[in-house]
Amino acid sequence: DAGVTQSPTHLIKTRGQHVTLRCSPISGHKSVSWYQQVLGQGPQFIFQYYEKEERGRGNFPDRFSARQFPNYSSELNVNALLLGDSALYLCASSLGRGQDTGELFFGEGSRLTVL
Amino acid sequence: GQNIDQPTEMTATEGAIVQINCTYQTSGFNGLFWYQQHAGEAPTFLSYNVLDGLEEKGRFSSFLSRSKGYSYLLLKELQMKDSASYLCAVSPNQAGTALIFGKGTTLSVSS
Repeated sequence: DAGVTQSPTHLIKTRGQHVTLRCSPISGHKSVSWYQQVLGQGPQFIFQYYEKEERGRGNFPDRFSARQFPNYSSELNVNALLLGDSALYLCASSLGRGQDTGELFFGEGSRLTVL
Repeated sequence: GQNIDQPTEMTATEGAIVQINCTYQTSGFNGLFWYQQHAGEAPTFLSYNVLDGLEEKGRFSSFLSRSKGYSYLLLKELQMKDSASYLCAVSPNQAGTALIFGKGTTLSVSS
């Protein structure tokens, strides 16, 4: 069975550019969450989507946006990249709100470097 | 505010027992998770506690005291492959919503 898949795995951008990260959840999972993990820190919550609707948003600027598609895959977009956006971006899927313990299944992440 | 504290680093030797503590202060509580993360890899689920007490799963056990806002992860018979970061995370709202993670405890196991 396929786990959570993310693309691209690594990418390098320059300040001011835009980036789109993609995620496919585990089959049957309807909730997708995005987390940012800076080196040496724990993951920080960015967004959660459930049934194609935004259900939660962390403390990130409006340069960050996301969406979920009818097949439950998701995209995270970051505009006007800053050096501080360099991080590992993790996508996690789960069954959905109230349907389980809330255990998250993480993808391998997209490592973004901003120069 | 939301706050989760855990030690930054710990060291231990093969075959030993180590306990990683986690204290939390969150707006709500709907469960506590422990995840393991090897360098350069994604976090993987270790345990889940929602009621007070001890949950045992092989060499790993996790304890929760909701009244104290406290949990620990106990690792027995340490192996070199247990060298990793251990993340404590709390679900403050309904199950299936965002998790709040601590900064992680980097465990180094030496021979």
